Amino acid sequence: QVQLQESGPGLVKPSETVSLTCAVSGYSISSDYYWGWIRQPPGEGLEWIASIYHSGTSYYNPSLKSRVTISVDTSKNQFFLKLTSVTAADTAMYYCARGTAHRYSDYWGQGTQVIVSS
Amino acid sequence: QTGLTQPASVSGSPGQSITISCTGTSSDIGAYNYVSWYQQHPGKAPKLLIYDVSNRPSGVSNRFSGSKSGNAASLTISGLQAEDEADYYCTSYTYSSTLVVFGGGTKLTVL
Repeated sequence: QVQLQESGPGLVKPSETVSLTCAVSGYSISSDYYWGWIRQPPGEGLEWIASIYHSGTSYYNPSLKSRVTISVDTSKNQFFLKLTSVTAADTAMYYCARGTAHRYSDYWGQGTQVIVSS
Repeated sequence: QTGLTQPASVSGSPGQSITISCTGTSSDIGAYNYVSWYQQHPGKAPKLLIYDVSNRPSGVSNRFSGSKSGNAASLTISGLQAEDEADYYCTSYTYSSTLVVFGGGTKLTVL
């Protein structure tokens, strides 16, 4: 069974950088699929942030591209998200997910909460 | 970003059928058969219900069905059950650089 588990710092100060990790079990991320991050601000809808293909090709939401980096460590079966210069608008639940191209995501993590506050 | 339009809320009684609409453009829903639907219960991660317009992943009840016509897609839930009360999101691949667009979500209330 494919499982994804996010982890992160929880609370981040404005202007700082937040780094999130998604640990994947039950499937080797180097085999196939896209691996992505989606976020959901409190009480709001979903927003796609970025995806990375198992080969390392990355894709970004243009609205966040200047502040986001997605990367993968196949040896650890993990992928990562780095978001710089955070503001209160970045407060959200951050989910990692396995995707089939950019058509749909079939496995999701439970999410990690990021709160931006001084 | 909220590129697709969904009704904010729908409701129905147990046993009834409801349909949630999702309206896009000729750059997303109208251009590709890559519409998917997710169910999200409070405090939980989204769950894939429908992919590629009308396909159900293994384990998803056949009470859930999807369709598309032109620039709009629909999710129909038949035989409503109390556990269907949740938020529902549509998504589509898009021709634009955004790649993925979501609907704003629809809250389903089972009366």
